[in-house]
Amino acid sequence: DTEVTQTPKHLVMGMTNKKSLKCEQHMGHRAMYWYKQKAKKPPELMFVYSYEKLSINESVPSRFSPECPNSSLLNLHLHALQPEDSALYLCASSQNGAPNTGELFFGEGSRLTVL
Amino acid sequence: TQLLEQSPQFLSIQEGENLTVYCNSSSVFSSLQWYRQEPGEGPVLLVTVVTGGEVKKLKRLTFQFGDARKDSSLHITAAQPGDTGLYLCLRAGKSTFGDGTTLTVKP
Repeated sequence: DTEVTQTPKHLVMGMTNKKSLKCEQHMGHRAMYWYKQKAKKPPELMFVYSYEKLSINESVPSRFSPECPNSSLLNLHLHALQPEDSALYLCASSQNGAPNTGELFFGEGSRLTVL
Repeated sequence: TQLLEQSPQFLSIQEGENLTVYCNSSSVFSSLQWYRQEPGEGPVLLVTVVTGGEVKKLKRLTFQFGDARKDSSLHITAAQPGDTGLYLCLRAGKSTFGDGTTLTVKP
């Protein structure tokens, strides 16, 4: 199993809603990542979890709240988002716990629209 | 501050043409990865270059790592519509991608 699975694939939410994006991998990888990607732009790093602990937060607004319940799961909780937060949210994992010391495996992303 | 600069940012060519994409940095890095992201999918690793001066080939794709390990290039020979996508470079130890090159190959 070499997949990173993200759900949902598409999400539409209002600015007052609370929703969550989910990511799962069963490759035994020890680092997991959240990226945000706008159209025709590269993915921008948001968070990195290493051995289930938050190791990097790229100054992301608190309306985005990551959670790593166990080594296979990564969540991104969303609350009071703005329309400019509409984007593709990509989850990735890598085998080594030290961030980006090996291949990144990406999911297909969750397309978020904030109305 | 973007540590990796990619050029060109956008490239639209006809099927069969050759092209080169560049990834440059002002600092030395130990290794560099190239990814391709096709529409509707996440990025997928193409290659990792490690040694200065290294050349790696992947079918019609040729990757070079500069001698000083500050730059890298990706050359595609006889481009095909299936090569269409966003090409990204990523340096070892960092999780921040370069600017990206959006390639469109027209049939």
